[in-house]
Amino acid sequence: DTGVSQNPRHKITKRGQNVTFRCDPISEHNRLYWYRQTLGQGPEFLTYFQNEAQLEKSRLLSDRFSAERPKGSFSTLEIQRTEQGDSAMYLCASSLGQGTSLPYEQYFGPGTRLTVT
Amino acid sequence: KNQVEQSPQSLIILEGKNCTLQCNYTVSPFSNLRWYKQDTGRGPVSLTIMTFSENTKSNGRYTATLDADTKQSSLHITASQLSDSASYICVVSDFSGGYNKLIFGAGTRLAVHP
Repeated sequence: DTGVSQNPRHKITKRGQNVTFRCDPISEHNRLYWYRQTLGQGPEFLTYFQNEAQLEKSRLLSDRFSAERPKGSFSTLEIQRTEQGDSAMYLCASSLGQGTSLPYEQYFGPGTRLTVT
Repeated sequence: KNQVEQSPQSLIILEGKNCTLQCNYTVSPFSNLRWYKQDTGRGPVSLTIMTFSENTKSNGRYTATLDADTKQSSLHITASQLSDSASYICVVSDFSGGYNKLIFGAGTRLAVHP
């Protein structure tokens, strides 16, 4: 399967614990995006990488959240001291991109469903 | 504030019938508009992408229209099938940051009944 993969698919954790999610993008894609989706809503942008550089972070990404893409390939999203409000689906997407407005397709992974109890 | 609004919130139709979903947006600057299909518990899958110069685009039984002047789009589904049951999300791209930043609507939840 050459699509975007995410692990784990489901994570249940207790409030206050740290969690880390992984995203493996399509191999030739230089751009990687993280989104958060709560029930009944569309995804909301969290952060964006071009290669290994994190170029934009949403105000939704509090200081408890950190994302990395160390070698410009896979990415991790860590949430520290989880809160019940962090319960959501965390989606990763990847795309090509060359700094033009051409509408490169963003391909989404299956998501990681986080439940904080 | 950049916003994408969709209607209706949910829709039930019988298999074989057609339906049209609506999208209004206030995103500026506008780069392109996309429709995604999202099955429950899965990531969104792209159906169509339209730039401001395109008025209509089809993908099989899905036809999207765009009126960039009124900032409205629609997605028409023809001869619906049970597998069309999903959320359909309108997404508008803002290129102000030098990349296509996607702004998602809340989606229309479509249920196709036999």
